[in-house]
Amino acid sequence: EVQLVESGGGLVQPGGSLRLSCAASGFTFSNYAMTWVRQAPGKGLECVSDITGIADRIYYADSVKGRFTISRDNSRNTLYLQMNSVRADDTAVYYCARRTGPHVFDMWGRGTMVTVSS
Amino acid sequence: SYELTQPPSVSLSPGQTARIACSGDALAKQYACWYQQKPGQAPLLLIYKDTERPSGIPGRFSGSSSGTTVTLTISGVQAEDEADYYCQSADSSGSYEVFGGGTKLTVL
Repeated sequence: EVQLVESGGGLVQPGGSLRLSCAASGFTFSNYAMTWVRQAPGKGLECVSDITGIADRIYYADSVKGRFTISRDNSRNTLYLQMNSVRADDTAVYYCARRTGPHVFDMWGRGTMVTVSS
Repeated sequence: SYELTQPPSVSLSPGQTARIACSGDALAKQYACWYQQKPGQAPLLLIYKDTERPSGIPGRFSGSSSGTTVTLTISGVQAEDEADYYCQSADSSGSYEVFGGGTKLTVL
């Protein structure tokens, strides 16, 4: 079964750090670009960060640039998002999504909730 | 930064046809997708490359494109179609992905 499962969310204090993981199964992980998309409570979708299959190109939204780092381990079929210096406006459900061309997210995980609060 | 514009809400009775538009300058150059999101669930891909439907998506969902506007059409709306709908595309150079603000479809 083709599946994406996020983990690592939780409550974190402002200024703190958190690492999200996304475990992929059922497909050749290294063949696909992967993206983190977040959704703040009651709000729309925002593409946070994107990485190509061999990690030769990485994108960050301006809102997270310099604070978040995306990475992947193709041997473990896992995508990561290291979140540093988090702020209250980083509070959201974080989804990992498989990106296929052109500009299509054809598969999504169920998401992991990140709450930034003191 | 580049934006895609959708109406915030649409309300229809069952059996009617819903049309949700999404506008953005780069849509004349870049393909668009549509996603359905129900409460507490992840988004689901409904339409890609403006008009293509993934396997398993009912035929009442269709997409069209004209210039800088793409449109999602739901023919014969059903109660189960009540959800938020998002368009998504890229900036003119294809450098980053953008989502529209979302349209809440209410089936009366």
